[in-house]
Amino acid sequence: QVQLQQWGAGLLKPSETLSLTCAVYGGSFTDHYWTWIRQSPGKGLEWIGEINHSGSANYNPSLKSRVTISVDTSKNQFSLEVRSVTAADTAVYFCARGNDIVTTYDLYYYFDFWGQGTLVTVSS
Amino acid sequence: SSELTQDPAVSVALGQTVRITCQGDSLRSYYASWYQQKPGQAPILVIFGKNNRPSGIPDRFSGSNSGSRASLTITGAQAEDEADYYCHSRDNSDYHRVVFGGGTKLTVL
Repeated sequence: QVQLQQWGAGLLKPSETLSLTCAVYGGSFTDHYWTWIRQSPGKGLEWIGEINHSGSANYNPSLKSRVTISVDTSKNQFSLEVRSVTAADTAVYFCARGNDIVTTYDLYYYFDFWGQGTLVTVSS
Repeated sequence: SSELTQDPAVSVALGQTVRITCQGDSLRSYYASWYQQKPGQAPILVIFGKNNRPSGIPDRFSGSNSGSRASLTITGAQAEDEADYYCHSRDNSDYHRVVFGGGTKLTVL
């Protein structure tokens, strides 16, 4: 059974750097996109970005200038860094496993396993 | 870029059938995936691909797709189905981007 376990600081001051790490237990680490998603209080899901095992990353254009996602294949872990945080970055952050399916007839992408979520609060 | 649009709220009587819809240009190329989220919990995948359910998801959940619209249908809604539902796909105008719908709050009456 695949499990994603995430951790990181939950309280930050404005201008600080948010850092979260997600460890993957079970399953293949090489066949997926490892993803960060966040949810502001009372709001919907927002995709932050993703990375594959070789380190190729994609980011939400609205966050790209402040975000770095990295991977450590030796530990089956991936990490999120968001620089210069403000109150608008207050959210529950989730890590998730992404699956890209491309066949002759079908294209689809889905997240089948999620971390437990980490509430990050930015406050002075 | 391409966005996904969902109705903010839908209600259904207990035991009846409800359809939750998701609209967006990306769905002309990609099948939507659907997630259920209850308060304080991580989302759970309920439908992916053409109409696939992960292990453990009841068969009252089904998915369908037509043009730029995807639908999640719950046949015989139960009280425990009350939750937020989100659709999701890759952006067909930018493969390197992923998009979510704004979510639909389902109330079971």
